[in-house]
Amino acid sequence: NAGVTQTPKFRVLKTGQSMTLLCAQDMNHEYMYWYRQDPGMGLRLIHYSVGEGTTAKGEVPDGYNVSRLKKQNFLLGLESAAPSQTSVYFCASSYRAGFSSYEQYFGPGTRLTVT
Amino acid sequence: ELKVEQNPLFLSMQEGKNYTIYCNYSTTSDRLYWYRQDPGKSLESLFVLLSNGAVKQEGRLMASLDTKARLSTLHITAAVHDLSATYFCAVDGVTSGSRLTFGEGTQLTVNP
Repeated sequence: NAGVTQTPKFRVLKTGQSMTLLCAQDMNHEYMYWYRQDPGMGLRLIHYSVGEGTTAKGEVPDGYNVSRLKKQNFLLGLESAAPSQTSVYFCASSYRAGFSSYEQYFGPGTRLTVT
Repeated sequence: ELKVEQNPLFLSMQEGKNYTIYCNYSTTSDRLYWYRQDPGKSLESLFVLLSNGAVKQEGRLMASLDTKARLSTLHITAAVHDLSATYFCAVDGVTSGSRLTFGEGTQLTVNP
């Protein structure tokens, strides 16, 4: 199993450009998440999904959109990139069986720079 | 709003010494997670603590959970250089569903 994969690994955008980050998981997990990580701020949740066809806002959703058309994929879109969106983006997935945990499994990350 | 605070945020220690990282959280939860992140890498799950009094150990790391105090600790015994990394705790509150709230992370440096 590949686990959680992210495409691309690195990207440089100019202000105002758009792009889509792709997250894919092969573990049949119901839940998927997009985070951004900035120095000194830990991980902040952008959007998440509790199942195919569903999405919800997290802590910092402004400037981002998401879609989950297939269970294994979760897309993060930036419609008009801004320098404040320079960050490392992590995708994660999880499942819950019975009363067990929501342990999340993380992808390798995408380093995005907006100039 | 669920808040998760880690202490200290930066820790520099000598090899062979012991130390503890603390994770406090602000709301009811009996599930706490510890992750490790090496520089430039992703997050790797270390421990999942699912009930009050839970204790888990892996090598030189031991994690515990006290849900009444809303406190988890990550204890490092006889530190070695390979433990140098950033350690995050995360909590899912009773109203959070599947979402985790992460602490800021503790950057640990173990010096020879």
